Amino acid sequence: KAGVTQTPRYLIKTRGQQVTLSCSPISGHRSVSWYQQTPGQGLQFLFEYFSETQRNKGNFPGRFSGRQFSNSRSEMNVSTLELGDSALYLCASSSSPGTLYNEQFFGPGTRLTVL
Amino acid sequence: TQLLEQSPQFLSIQEGENLTVYCNSSSVFSSLQWYRQEPGEGPVLLVTVVTGGEVKKLKRLTFQFGDARKDSSLHITAAQPGDTGLYLCAGVRVAGNMLTFGGGTRLMVKP
Repeated sequence: KAGVTQTPRYLIKTRGQQVTLSCSPISGHRSVSWYQQTPGQGLQFLFEYFSETQRNKGNFPGRFSGRQFSNSRSEMNVSTLELGDSALYLCASSSSPGTLYNEQFFGPGTRLTVL
Repeated sequence: TQLLEQSPQFLSIQEGENLTVYCNSSSVFSSLQWYRQEPGEGPVLLVTVVTGGEVKKLKRLTFQFGDARKDSSLHITAAQPGDTGLYLCAGVRVAGNMLTFGGGTRLMVKP
C-alpha cells in the first residue's frame, strides 16, 4: 500500500505570493490533517478534513485554508505569504479518526521557504 | 505555549547508555502517542498508550502513561545510533480528531 505523498517536496516563494500544497492520503483513508512544523513552535495543527468537510481547525490566520476532494486528496493554500510561514508542512491521513488509537500516517512534508 | 511539555529538548549520549524522555501536561488526554521523526521524513507512530498507569514495551523502548493520563515517559535501554532522531509525544482527544504535539526531544546517540 502506498504511503502518504506530498507535492512538491520543496518550494521557494517570496513575500506576498500565494502557494498551494498537495497531499494524497493512503488509499481508503478519509481523514486528512495538515500540520506546520517549525524549529521554534514545533508541530502545530492546522486543520483536518473528513469526507470533503473541514471538521477541526487550529489557531492559524485565515490566510491558511484547505480543501478535500471526493477522492480524499487534499490541498492547502497559503495566501499573502509572510517570512514566518517558512516551515515544513506535513500532511497526515488516518483510517480511525476520533478514536483512542487515532494513528496518523505522515507524508514526508513540503519544505516551504519564503524570501 | 505548548500544552505538552517535553524534556529534555536535546540529548546527546553514548551508545549503550540509558535515557528517559518526559512528556507532561496539565490537561487530561484520552490517549497519548509517541512518534519518531528522522530528517527529511514525517513522524512515524511508535506506540499509543490508552489506560492510566499503562506500560508498553517495544524491544528496548518502554512507554508509560501516568495514572492521571496527563503525562508519559519514554525510556530507552542501551541506546544505539539507530535510535537517533526527534521523539514527539502527542495527546489525543477523542472529541475532535486533533493531536496536540509536544515540542520534541532531539536525541543523538554516538557510536
